[in-house]
Amino acid sequence: AQTVTQSQPEMSVQEAETVTLSCTYDTSESDYYLFWYKQPPSRQMILVIRQEAYKQQNATENRFSVNFQKAAKSFSLKISDSQLGDAAMYFCAYRSASPASKLTFGTGTRLQVTL
Amino acid sequence: AAGVIQSPRHLIKEKRETATLKCYPIPRHDTVYWYQQGPGQDPQFLISFYEKMQSDKGSIPDRFSAQQFSDYHSELNMSSLELGDSALYFCASSSRGPASDTQYFGPGTRLTVL
Repeated sequence: AQTVTQSQPEMSVQEAETVTLSCTYDTSESDYYLFWYKQPPSRQMILVIRQEAYKQQNATENRFSVNFQKAAKSFSLKISDSQLGDAAMYFCAYRSASPASKLTFGTGTRLQVTL
Repeated sequence: AAGVIQSPRHLIKEKRETATLKCYPIPRHDTVYWYQQGPGQDPQFLISFYEKMQSDKGSIPDRFSAQQFSDYHSELNMSSLELGDSALYFCASSSRGPASDTQYFGPGTRLTVL
């Protein structure tokens, strides 16, 4: 079974600074997808970024980028120019490449953004 | 753009009662997933449907059942409710098209069992 580990329960960053959230996973599969979801106080689950395991190039979405290390099974999220609206719980998630596969989530990292 | 719709948004039930949660996927999405998120927890997969057939099953209690209808909407039926069933229930949907690997979540139904 696949597992996802987020070892940082809480992180803090100053506005306009950069922060990196860590995620590691365990799988025996070679083809899969990785995601970061954001859950603000409203508790809506919002997709931040996705990575296809067969692509070596790291995904980027505006101020959000990932560092995907397939051999190390590591998938960290970098948030640049942090904004107050980035404060939320961030979940790393794994999905097999099989059709209609479930998401397996990590335990989340709560990000606080300070002035 | 249209999003996943869940109803009701809030539901309060007594122990041993029954609840029905509804999910309307994004148009042209044919796969629906249900997740349960307890307080301070990460979402846990319950069950999924692909083209109206059950696709996968997670840690869903036998007291819960679900189905997907011909218009692709899905319902999660919960019977003999227990205090521990109080949680946020998410529905997510995905399609077979480009980025079919990506699940888009609804706003959730907050169930409180008293």
